[in-house]
Amino acid sequence: AQTVTQSQPEMSVQEAETVTLSCTYDTSESNYYLFWYKQPPSRQMILVIRQEAYKQQNATENRFSVNFQKAAKSFSLKISDSQLGDTAMYFCALYNTNAGKSTFGDGTTLTVKP
Amino acid sequence: NAGVTQTPKFQVLKTGQSMTLQCAQDMNHEYMSWYRQDPGMGLRLIHYSVGAGITDQGEVPNGYNVSRSTTEDFPLRLLSAAPSQTSVYFCASSKRNAATSPYGYTFGSGTRLTVV
Repeated sequence: AQTVTQSQPEMSVQEAETVTLSCTYDTSESNYYLFWYKQPPSRQMILVIRQEAYKQQNATENRFSVNFQKAAKSFSLKISDSQLGDTAMYFCALYNTNAGKSTFGDGTTLTVKP
Repeated sequence: NAGVTQTPKFQVLKTGQSMTLQCAQDMNHEYMSWYRQDPGMGLRLIHYSVGAGITDQGEVPNGYNVSRSTTEDFPLRLLSAAPSQTSVYFCASSKRNAATSPYGYTFGSGTRLTVV
């Protein structure tokens, strides 16, 4: 079985500042990927960033970057220059390539304050 | 527009009623999944399919049935609705390797189901 844990149910940040969301996971698989998804009030799930487990280099997408610590099974998301539109629930997900299914964390609600 | 289409968007059922949530995708994705999202929680996998004719159970399969007769469609059936099934349901699809497709999983817009 695989698990994903997000230990911060809620976080807030001032506009233009930086915030880091935590995620830890557990899996016995060697072939897996990690994702961060954003769910705004519209309920639509939007892919923010992905990380291949076999790559040591941390993924970056514009203002979003990850800190992937494979040995520690940690996958945190850093949002730089936070914007009001970043207000949403963020989900960490572990994708099992062999099984073709994902396990999601319980989410972190991020509020960006003006 | 290409994507995952879920119907209906909202539904109210009485306890004991049955219904089918529809999910269709037009991206020729092999993998399809159903998740439920309860308030303040993440997505829990109900059932999933890696191709037509193949389905498997996820974390919370009890009370739900699925079938995958075509690549495009993956309906979720509630056999006898219970208040505990009140939730938001998401259908998702992906290529065989979701990690390499541009958007990972493609999600539908969700169905909000209330069982009274």
